[in-house]
Amino acid sequence: SQKIEQNSEALNIQEGKTATLTCNYTNYSPAYLQWYRQDPGRGPVFLLLIRENEKEKRKERLKVTFDTTLKQSLFHITASQPADSATYLCALSMDSNYQLIWGAGTKLIIKP
Amino acid sequence: ETGVTQTPRHLVMGMTNKKSLKCEQHLGHNAMYWYKQSAKKPLELMFVYNFKEQTENNSVPSRFSPECPNSSHLFLHLHTLQPEDSALYLCASSQDLGDNSNQPQHFGDGTRLSIL
Repeated sequence: SQKIEQNSEALNIQEGKTATLTCNYTNYSPAYLQWYRQDPGRGPVFLLLIRENEKEKRKERLKVTFDTTLKQSLFHITASQPADSATYLCALSMDSNYQLIWGAGTKLIIKP
Repeated sequence: ETGVTQTPRHLVMGMTNKKSLKCEQHLGHNAMYWYKQSAKKPLELMFVYNFKEQTENNSVPSRFSPECPNSSHLFLHLHTLQPEDSALYLCASSQDLGDNSNQPQHFGDGTRLSIL
């Protein structure tokens, strides 16, 4: 069956360290993968998009990698801060299909 | 301010009530979406509208009825809901559909719905 997996357990990271979240998928051949941030009581907010032919994408302290061989995307936050604490969602889409297929998200907690 | 506004933010209703959720976007987008988000589950796409035309109904029960009078407004009419319908209902928009599988979606903050 097709599925997207993100760590269901919360990830606790010390402030200043790099936080790494994973998104694994099976039985898909996505053309794009997106990462969103969701704070409690709020809607998801778009962060980054990476295409299948891109290995890596950066935006300020954020970095996303996309390995189509491993069927995995990694999301890194460097120099993490307590304000980075949130739930992070990954979503993938196929070529020429607007529908996003979502993971359940990983809760990230950055401790001072 | 995300550019997508949802009202009400919270709604408690009985199973026999009729209510409506409202979504308005100020981004000039042409595609709008309704999602259901339950605790610890992935977002479930319910309905999609593109240029006011419904393009997707993902096997949603008829007790949920969408309405899109124009590209800026989207409603979800609720009638005779069940307790399992309690969830966060999110509205989103994107520029349009077409060959836009790489388009980010912009979300409102949702309506927290509780069915008694």
